[in-house]
Amino acid sequence: SQQGEEDPQALSIQEGENATMNCSYKTSINNLQWYRQNSGRGLVHLILIRSNEREKHSGRLRVTLDTSKKSSSLLITASRAADTASYFCATPGRKLIFGQGTELSVKP
Amino acid sequence: NAGVTQTPKFQVLKTGQSMTLQCAQDMNHEYMSWYRQDPGMGLRLIHYSVGAGITDQGEVPNGYNVSRSTTEDFPLRLLSAAPSQTSVYFCASSYTGQRNYGYTFGSGTRLTVV
Repeated sequence: SQQGEEDPQALSIQEGENATMNCSYKTSINNLQWYRQNSGRGLVHLILIRSNEREKHSGRLRVTLDTSKKSSSLLITASRAADTASYFCATPGRKLIFGQGTELSVKP
Repeated sequence: NAGVTQTPKFQVLKTGQSMTLQCAQDMNHEYMSWYRQDPGMGLRLIHYSVGAGITDQGEVPNGYNVSRSTTEDFPLRLLSAAPSQTSVYFCASSYTGQRNYGYTFGSGTRLTVV
């Protein structure tokens, strides 16, 4: 099975600050994906980074991948109150297993 | 709109009752899966399928059955509901292998067993 473990478990910042979340995984991967879940809703796919990529950008999101350390980070720049959500990483495989996620709170 | 449709959105069951949670997708995705989400537990994989006629167990399969007779549908059956199955259930689908560009999730079914 594939698995991602997010760190920190919770993060509280002020609007306008940057938020960084980390993910570690255990096995070799083809790609790593980040998801967002707003309270009470399903997960939404944010960004995918392939194993041969080191960095990827999408709007205010920046994802890095270090396959030698089996880790990834998600940076949200200039955060907004609407970014308040839980964020999960996942490494697709036959069994897609999520970690506990990082709960981000952005205060106005 | 293309996506994953889950029904019902809310359900209350009595202990011992059975029911089926429906999941349908219209994106021709090979992979479909069911998760339950409980406070402090994250998402836990119940069952998954990599194609019609193929299903397999996830992390927490006990008390649940699935079948995949078509590519589009992946129903989850609770055989004899227990209070421990009170949870929010999510269905997800995707292409497999190199065509996996991300998983699409349904909006969830909130189940309460009393």
